[in-house]
Amino acid sequence: QSALTQPPSASGSPGQSVTISCTGTSSDVGAYNYVSWYQQHPGKAPKLIIYEVNKRPSGVPDRFSGSKSGNTASLTVSGLQAEDEADYHCSSYGGHNNYVIFGGGTKLTVL
Amino acid sequence: QVQLQESGPGLVKPSETLSLTCAVSGGSVRSGDYFWNWIRQAPGKGLEWIGYIYHTGTTNYNPSLKSRVTMLVGTSKNQFSLKVTSVTAADTAVYYCAREVAGSDAFHLWGQGTLVTVSS
Repeated sequence: QSALTQPPSASGSPGQSVTISCTGTSSDVGAYNYVSWYQQHPGKAPKLIIYEVNKRPSGVPDRFSGSKSGNTASLTVSGLQAEDEADYHCSSYGGHNNYVIFGGGTKLTVL
Repeated sequence: QVQLQESGPGLVKPSETLSLTCAVSGGSVRSGDYFWNWIRQAPGKGLEWIGYIYHTGTTNYNPSLKSRVTMLVGTSKNQFSLKVTSVTAADTAVYYCAREVAGSDAFHLWGQGTLVTVSS
């Protein structure tokens, strides 16, 4: 069971858009539409911002959007704001025996 | 408003057993709508799913930890628990409990987390 691959860092200026990738395999990301994204501020618990590839929980701004193509899922943050600076983690269902697999996390910096 | 709160020793000696509890308030651990999960995060690292327990006692564990992990759901208390045996320094992490709508593979609700350090 290998972790999903995320870039360690990403950055953008306020108002810009940034996209973070999450690459898995045909056994996890590519096989199921169960990709989630979590936002984590320093010292805090993760917060779910995207589930089932592109669905947003209530209260999450529509500046956050998700998509998937093949074995790679993506999170796009539009209209970057200072409070978006955080770590972002992706996860995917990996089948019953592997269940949930996480990526290594991406640190998003708002310049 | 449902809340989750982890508790347990912050320091565990190598080769001993790590034991944590997650108290559920504002809702019932006996609800059939949810899986109750444990997830951990080593210092400076990404998240690692440990496993879940359903109110029936059915469990599903991360294959890499399965031989050392046991989860139980409370009988008289509204809580669920995690035990990890034969711990090493690699088990040092912040441990989170989290609620998942059964089968959704997404963790909508998290506890605040508790740091467990494995050291002699």
